[in-house]
Amino acid sequence: DTGVSQDPRHKITKRGQNVTFRCDPISEHNRLYWYRQTLGQGPEFLTYFQNEAQLEKSRLLSDRFSAERPKGSFSTLEIQRTEQGDSAMYLCASSTGGRPQHFGDGTRLSIL
Amino acid sequence: AQKITQTQPGMFVQEKEAVTLDCTYDTSDQSYGLFWYKQPSSGEMIFLIYQGSYDEQNATEGRYSLNFQKARKSANLVISASQLGDSAMYFCAMRENQAGTALIFGKGTTLSVSS
Repeated sequence: DTGVSQDPRHKITKRGQNVTFRCDPISEHNRLYWYRQTLGQGPEFLTYFQNEAQLEKSRLLSDRFSAERPKGSFSTLEIQRTEQGDSAMYLCASSTGGRPQHFGDGTRLSIL
Repeated sequence: AQKITQTQPGMFVQEKEAVTLDCTYDTSDQSYGLFWYKQPSSGEMIFLIYQGSYDEQNATEGRYSLNFQKARKSANLVISASQLGDSAMYFCAMRENQAGTALIFGKGTTLSVSS
């Protein structure tokens, strides 16, 4: 059973640049979630997909953030015009129905 | 608003001892789920145990058990026979079934197990 896969593991970029992260969920999971985790805090929910439909978005997801799951399989999270405050770990999780969410290893974003 | 509180920033325990990590929650929903996750220094979040609000029995998974006290709105994690590999950050989380599927996490407790 392959787990949730995230790419890249680390991303370093300059302020103002755009970045894109990818998440490949567990294959039979129809639900996919994005969370953000800053140092010393628990993860905070960003957005959720059921199949290809984006059903829920947090107020944390400003206009600079966009997420897609075009064929109901992998998902991408893009941040445009990155800011210092975007530095965080971005976690992807997947699940089937209401069963517990399984997380990937995360993408750590550092803004210079 | 829903909220998870973990009041212990750090806990220290010796190998083979049991340890309890505290978690209290706040919700107005009658139907909800409570979860515990482990996050080692490598960063991945590992699901440990789940308790539904209507479950009458406390959940158990191997060395992990969840001490669920609904009236007190607490869902403490008990780890029996601690091992060095249990050293990690532990997060309590809640999902309100009426509010969607997002998990609300506490700030976590760092557990250190010594030999």
